[in-house]
Order: sequence, then C-alpha cells, then structure tokens
Amino acid sequence: QSVLTQPPSASGTPGQRVTISCSGSTSNIGTNYVYWYHQLPGTAPKLLISRDNQRPSGVPDRFSGSKSGTSASLAISGLRSEDEADYYCAAWDDSLSGPVFGGGTKVTVL
Amino acid sequence: EVQLVESGGGLVQPGGSLRLSCSASGFAFRNFAMHWVRQAPGRGLECVSGINNNGGSTYYADSVKGRVTISRDNSKNTLYLQMSGLRAEDTAVYYCVKDLGYNPSTWFDPWGQGTLVTVSS
Repeated sequence: QSVLTQPPSASGTPGQRVTISCSGSTSNIGTNYVYWYHQLPGTAPKLLISRDNQRPSGVPDRFSGSKSGTSASLAISGLRSEDEADYYCAAWDDSLSGPVFGGGTKVTVL
Repeated sequence: EVQLVESGGGLVQPGGSLRLSCSASGFAFRNFAMHWVRQAPGRGLECVSGINNNGGSTYYADSVKGRVTISRDNSKNTLYLQMSGLRAEDTAVYYCVKDLGYNPSTWFDPWGQGTLVTVSS
C-alpha cells in the first residue's frame, strides 16, 4: 500500500488529453513539493515534473503538473504513442522523514 | 555528462548479505545527496535509503531499517548500500539516484541503470 494514491491505469487515443491524479496528505503533498517521474518499458525512471509544476530542460510542454491541497495531477496533452509508460508521483513525507512514491499509473495509448 | 553505474547485485540466499556500489562521475559528487531506490519485479518504486552530501544524515525506509546501511566515500566518488538479513521481498532492481542539493529531497535526477538483487534459495 503506497503512501500516495494513484489510479493503476489511464488511457487515451492519440491527440487526447490524459490526466493522472495523486492523492496524499498534509504530511506530504500538503506541505512539500510534488515530483513526477516516467518510466518507459525496460528503462530507468526519469524526472518529468519537479516542484509541483516545473518542467526540466528537454521535457515537452505537453506535460504539465498542478497541485491543490493534498492532491496533485499530471496532465498529458496531445497524447502520443511514445507516451506509453508508467508514471509515478513522489513527495517528501515529514512524518516518515523520507520520500514516498505513488503506486504508479500505466498509461496506454489506444 | 553525469553517470551513475551500479554494481554488486546478484543472487543471494535468504538471510545473506550483499554490498551494492554506485560509481559516480561527471559532477562534484561531494556536493550532492544520493539515494537508493528499488523496484521489485512488476511493481512500483520504493525509496530504500538516502544520504546527505557529507554522510552526516541518512534516512531509511521502514521495510529495511536495521538491515541496511547507506554510506559514501567522497574521495572515491562512490555510494554504497550494505544489506544484511536479506529476504525474498528484497528482490528488486536497485537504482542509484542523484539529488539536486546537499540534503535529501524528492528530486531524483538522474538515475543509474540499476543492479538486480535476487534473494532466493
């Protein structure tokens, strides 16, 4: 059971917008930054969104992050086949004194 | 270019020990916190342990507390994870990950390619 809660799957057709939610609590998302990572099949994860809504260099602006209270969301607009991957949210948890991940969401492009 | 290369994984019997190493290059290793993050087969990501830039502060996941020790040698640009009392549920790919600053945060970038630890008799 992960500290942060994500839906196990999400899907869309090419060009659509897909949103992934990440629910936490006041000890993590409510007081600390949220980060998003994606993992293509057979590869190591990569940083996708930092500090709630910042895109690192090289990340397309089709990816955007937002946060409200103890929940966060990742949106992928203009969905492409290469976006098929697992997506994880993460945040520091003050109660656990360490980082925590969501269980991951598998995005499928139909 | 930042490179993180893990080594030391392999097959170990339940109750056994293993030391993972992560050789870092392409950045001032002594200035950055580091982490070990693992992924069991077909499962999600779990932060195992992290350490600040000078080794003075660490954290451990409850699942490994008391069985795992993280350390670093800044003179060798190397991060370590000493694991003992290994269990089947410790079977996973272990990733070495660089942080953004001196102290551990949730900024994990980049990640190494991972080393597989298999605990089985």
